[in-house]
Amino acid sequence: EVQLVESGGGLVQPGGSLRLSCAASGFTFSSYWMHWVRQAPGKGLVWVSHIDSDGSSTSYADSVKGRFTISRDNAKNTLYLQMKSLRAEDTAVYYCARDKGYYYDTSGGHWVMAFDIWGQGTKVTVSS
Amino acid sequence: SSELTQDPAVSVALGQTVRITCQGDSLRSYYATWYQQKPGQAPVLVIYGKNNRPSGIPDRFSGSNSGNTASLTITGAQAEDEADYYCNSRDSSGNHLVFGGGTKLTVL
Repeated sequence: EVQLVESGGGLVQPGGSLRLSCAASGFTFSSYWMHWVRQAPGKGLVWVSHIDSDGSSTSYADSVKGRFTISRDNAKNTLYLQMKSLRAEDTAVYYCARDKGYYYDTSGGHWVMAFDIWGQGTKVTVSS
Repeated sequence: SSELTQDPAVSVALGQTVRITCQGDSLRSYYATWYQQKPGQAPVLVIYGKNNRPSGIPDRFSGSNSGNTASLTITGAQAEDEADYYCNSRDSSGNHLVFGGGTKLTVL
């Protein structure tokens, strides 16, 4: 079964750090780009970060750039999100998601992308 | 604020057809991807690309695109379709990914 399982969430004080993990199984983890997406309580989905298949390329939302670091260990089939200088506004459920593949649809003249597998999420609460 | 705009809420009578829209300049170059999220659950991919459904998604779900607007249509809405729906694409620079604010669908 294709599966993503997040862990590492919890309660942390403002200014603190936390590392989230996402364990992948049932597919060739090293072949896929991966993403982190978060959702604050009662709010919508917000993309956080991406990493390509071998970890050589990453990108971040402006709201977390310089504070969060995405990484992966393909030997362990695990994705990580190191979070530092945490703020109250980082409080959210954090999901990891598999990127189905990014390609150009020549028939339609548009780029295609999708997150086809999601984990169940891990909750991060930043509060004193 | 999101670069993809969705109506906050839409309602539909059971068995009727509903269209959920997503607007943004980036949709002229990138297809919108659509996700369904039920309370307390992770999002689920329902439509990607021009009009592609992953395995297991009912064929009452379809997608379309025109200019800067993408639409998710549910033909013959069922009670189990009541959920939040999010569109997703890249931002206008193409460097980052963005989600729309989400549309809460109520099936009456």
